[in-house]
Amino acid sequence: GENVEQHPSTLSVQEGDSAVIKCTYSDSASNYFPWYKQELGKRPQLIIDIRSNVGEKKDQRIAVTLNKTAKHFSLHITETQPEDSAVYFCAASSSFTGNQFYFGTGTSLTVIP
Amino acid sequence: ETGVTQSPTHLIKTRGQQVTLRCSSQSGHNTVSWYQQALGQGPQFIFQYYREEENGRGNFPPRFSGLQFPNYSSELNVNALELDDSALYLCASSFDFATNEKLFFGSGTQLSVL
Repeated sequence: GENVEQHPSTLSVQEGDSAVIKCTYSDSASNYFPWYKQELGKRPQLIIDIRSNVGEKKDQRIAVTLNKTAKHFSLHITETQPEDSAVYFCAASSSFTGNQFYFGTGTSLTVIP
Repeated sequence: ETGVTQSPTHLIKTRGQQVTLRCSSQSGHNTVSWYQQALGQGPQFIFQYYREEENGRGNFPPRFSGLQFPNYSSELNVNALELDDSALYLCASSFDFATNEKLFFGSGTQLSVL
């Protein structure tokens, strides 16, 4: 089955700096890659996603890049704010397995004011 | 449009007992998935239900079972509880499993097994 690895496990940045979280996946059939933000005690919330026919997607301060050849994708947050502090999860799924998502182990992001 | 709702929010059980967790899918969604999230880990896929039938299962033993009802709501049942079953159980719904759609999560049920 699919194996998703995520790095780093913790990340601290100064407010206003950029943050980058990286994930790799093993199954070349995976074609949908969402990112979820989970604040303490709350549900994971979808913040951005990308499909395998696209190399990059941007939504305001958040962007995701995908390299299918290398099987890795990354989350980029620019101009970080204290409210960006949370745990971020990457995930991968394949059309062949429907909505069975494989998640990374999470990155705890702390934005220092 | 209503979101995914789960009940109860917290539950304490003892080893060997049985538990039932409930989930109502988001309006318009016909596919429900259940995930187990251990402390400090990412969610792990348990199984998925579509049109009242199990449609895919992760690496979980048969004592984890489920149901989906005609209104697309779902239950997760766990028999013979073990200490390692302590986790946050997340229900997620999606529009249709076949089109690899976005998952929307409920707030989860925090299960503690003593």
